[in-house]
Amino acid sequence: LAKTTQPISMDSYEGQEVNITCSHNNIATNDYITWYQQFPSQGPRFIIQGYKTKVTNEVASLFIPADRKSSTLSLPRVSLSDTAVYYCLVGDMEKNTGRRALTFGSGTRLQVQP
Amino acid sequence: ETGVTQTPRHLVMGMTNKKSLKCEQHLGHNAMYWYKQSAKKPLELMFVYSLEERVENNSVPSRFSPECPNSSHLFLHLHTLQPEDSALYLCASSLEVEADTQYFGPGTRLTVL
Repeated sequence: LAKTTQPISMDSYEGQEVNITCSHNNIATNDYITWYQQFPSQGPRFIIQGYKTKVTNEVASLFIPADRKSSTLSLPRVSLSDTAVYYCLVGDMEKNTGRRALTFGSGTRLQVQP
Repeated sequence: ETGVTQTPRHLVMGMTNKKSLKCEQHLGHNAMYWYKQSAKKPLELMFVYSLEERVENNSVPSRFSPECPNSSHLFLHLHTLQPEDSALYLCASSLEVEADTQYFGPGTRLTVL
């Protein structure tokens, strides 16, 4: 089963770059790595997705080494509004059905201070 | 705005009440999901529908009854709930059932008295 491990929490200050690393040692060959952001009392929001090397969009960058056993979400110049929980997901195989599904872990709670 | 709407946004109900949560997606997706998120706990997948057919039921108590009349609408019927069922209930959709990218609604904050 593909599982992810990421820090429970991180603190940062406005204007800093924040890097959140996620490990996924058992990632499958066909799995993509997907990151979500969740604000309190809201649904998770898709941020970025990648398979290998580097992906960048208007919100974040995602760095994936060649072995794909980890990935790093990079948020440039964070602001107070980036305070949220960030989830790293890879595909997972459900025990009962054998169906591939996403499993959300506990995520990383990022607190941005002024 | 993710293209997935949920109503109501807040719901307070007694243990003997019957209520329903509604989800609608405007994305043309074929898969829809119900998740439960209790305080300070990870999201728990409850039900998965693919083209109106339930493909997964993660050992959810029968007091939760899903309904998917078409690929754009998903309901969660609630009856005789317990206080520990109080949580944020999230609906999501994806292009196909095994897609990596899911689009979530804003959720319904449910309180059971």
